[in-house]
Amino acid sequence: EDQVTQSPEALRLQEGESSSLNCSYTVSGLRGLFWYRQDPGKGPEFLFTLYSAGEEKEKERLKATLTKKESFLHITAPKPEDSATYLCAVQISTGNQFYFGTGTSLTVIP
Amino acid sequence: DTGVSQDPRHKITKRGQNVTFRCDPISEHNRLYWYRQTLGQGPEFLTYFQNEAQLEKSRLLSDRFSAERPKGSFSTLEIQRTEQGDSAMYLCASSPVNQPQHFGDGTRLSIL
Repeated sequence: EDQVTQSPEALRLQEGESSSLNCSYTVSGLRGLFWYRQDPGKGPEFLFTLYSAGEEKEKERLKATLTKKESFLHITAPKPEDSATYLCAVQISTGNQFYFGTGTSLTVIP
Repeated sequence: DTGVSQDPRHKITKRGQNVTFRCDPISEHNRLYWYRQTLGQGPEFLTYFQNEAQLEKSRLLSDRFSAERPKGSFSTLEIQRTEQGDSAMYLCASSPVNQPQHFGDGTRLSIL
């Protein structure tokens, strides 16, 4: 069964304290892995797409990496405005459905 | 690019009533998706369209749910005979083929 698991469920960081969020997946075939940011009461906002193991993408303080079994979202020197829920989703190669994890709720304390 | 628009933003209804939500995708996007999200969970796939054709539906989707995209532009999601368990955020997303999805801010449904 296709499955996406994110950890930790919640993470509290001091401003400037770098950390990583994990997304592990078990799918029949990966077409793409996507990271989204979701603020309360809003829809998910697209951050990155990764297609193959070894690929990396960066945007400001965020860097996403992909292996054959998991993806990491690294947050360097976070700021309070980075507080949000971070979701990962996978698109399997045999269809067009996207499977989302339950997200990591990040709180950055000033 | 005006983004994905959903209407209404909030809907409160009594159990057993029918409700309909509307989604206006980004104009050049030919794929449109509906998701349901409950508190503390990620979005759960419901169905998707490519142009006006509904190509996939979740096996978990009750027959009380129906979606249309009559002219390949806006879409509607109707829930008949609503139940308490239907309370959730209903999200719409659109994309070009095999490109990342862009989400609207959802319709929050509350069943009394």
